[in-house]
Amino acid sequence: DTEVTQTPKHLVMGMTNKKSLKCEQHMGHRAMYWYKQKAKKPPELMFVYSYEKLSINESVPSRFSPECPNSSLLNLHLHALQPEDSALYLCASSFGTSGDSGANVLTFGAGSRLTVL
Amino acid sequence: AQTVTQSQPEMSVQEAETVTLSCTYDTSENNYYLFWYKQPPSRQMILVIRQEAYKQQNATENRFSVNFQKAAKSFSLKISDSQLGDTAMYFCAFRDNDMRFGAGTRLTVKP
Repeated sequence: DTEVTQTPKHLVMGMTNKKSLKCEQHMGHRAMYWYKQKAKKPPELMFVYSYEKLSINESVPSRFSPECPNSSLLNLHLHALQPEDSALYLCASSFGTSGDSGANVLTFGAGSRLTVL
Repeated sequence: AQTVTQSQPEMSVQEAETVTLSCTYDTSENNYYLFWYKQPPSRQMILVIRQEAYKQQNATENRFSVNFQKAAKSFSLKISDSQLGDTAMYFCAFRDNDMRFGAGTRLTVKP
């Protein structure tokens, strides 16, 4: 299995809803990432988990809450979002966060397109 | 913090021709990694090629090659024999502790 799987592919939610984005990989990667990508912009790093511990939080608002239940799963819990949070949310994973370039290569999922009404 | 600059928002090339996408970066680190990722309309980010900063030899992957100039902090991507399937957004990326992307270059391959 050489894939990162993200569900759902599309999500529409109201500002008062609570929803979650899910990400799964079975490549034995120990680092997992959430990126946010607005239209025609590059991905922006949100969170990094390394060995199931949160190692980077890029000052993301608390309405986004990441969770890493185990080394294969990464969730992003969403609550009280704003319309400007509408974007493509990309999950990625890598063998590690340092070392040779093999460890540094990120494998991306196809993304979850979120629309906040 | 490191920055990655792609100065060409859009480019086009005729099928079978060669095109070069430019990328510059700024860092005080000596050990780092550079990547080119491709994002077609399907949205999936796909690794095109990677380069370790400590290696002087330029990386090559089939039709894709890089021109890595460490002193100039330049990392350009050359696509030879362009194909229609190469049409995509191309992002240059820099990594030491985390991955940072340039603004991207939208490449269109014309038949």
